[in-house]
Amino acid sequence: QVHLVQSGAEVKQPGSSVKVSCQASGDTFLTYPFTWVRQAPGQGLECVGRIIPILRKPKYAQKFQDRVTITADTSTSVVYMELRSLKSEDTAVYFCARDRAPYLDVLTETFNPSVMDVWGQGTSVIVSS
Amino acid sequence: EIVVTQSPATLSVSPGERATLSCRASQSVGSNLAWYQQKPGQPPRLLIYGASTRATGVPARFSGSGSGTEFTLTISSLQSEDFAVYYCQQGSSWPAFGQGTKVEIK
Repeated sequence: QVHLVQSGAEVKQPGSSVKVSCQASGDTFLTYPFTWVRQAPGQGLECVGRIIPILRKPKYAQKFQDRVTITADTSTSVVYMELRSLKSEDTAVYFCARDRAPYLDVLTETFNPSVMDVWGQGTSVIVSS
Repeated sequence: EIVVTQSPATLSVSPGERATLSCRASQSVGSNLAWYQQKPGQPPRLLIYGASTRATGVPARFSGSGSGTEFTLTISSLQSEDFAVYYCQQGSSWPAFGQGTKVEIK
């Protein structure tokens, strides 16, 4: 059973940066996509970016391209998301989520679709002066 | 970028009644569509993937259907614990969620 445990709540000044961590337990880490999803107060779910730890090449949503960095530490099974130049609109709960299947179907040699079946508890990030 | 649209925004249903939620993709995603349930203060919970496959532990009253651009989540007989917000998500390309449907008690 995989569990994702995220770092604690943060309060940040506008213009600063925040780095949120997501510790994965269990041995299925390297080949499973991890996605950072955020949810502003009273709003829906928005994907920020994804990483497949074994490939080490993250992908980002276009609106965050210039401000976010997602990394994975394969030695400790931790995924990180750093968001820079924070604005009040970045106030949200940030979730990490792991896909239910590895990124590649080895039998068909095709990419598996994104289906997020394990979620962290969420990290509240408040941006306020 | 594939856009996902859900309807209605809010659905008022009495306990024991059927609820039908809709999800539309701006272009075909095949069967790469998932449904999630979210309750206040909790992360989303995967209900359905592959448009119609229930995730582990999901009760049989939840069912999904559709393919291409039109999808439906049906809750056959609403229980008290089912009142929540439901999101669909396409996984065919960059993952994108719909804006959600809130299922509330009528």
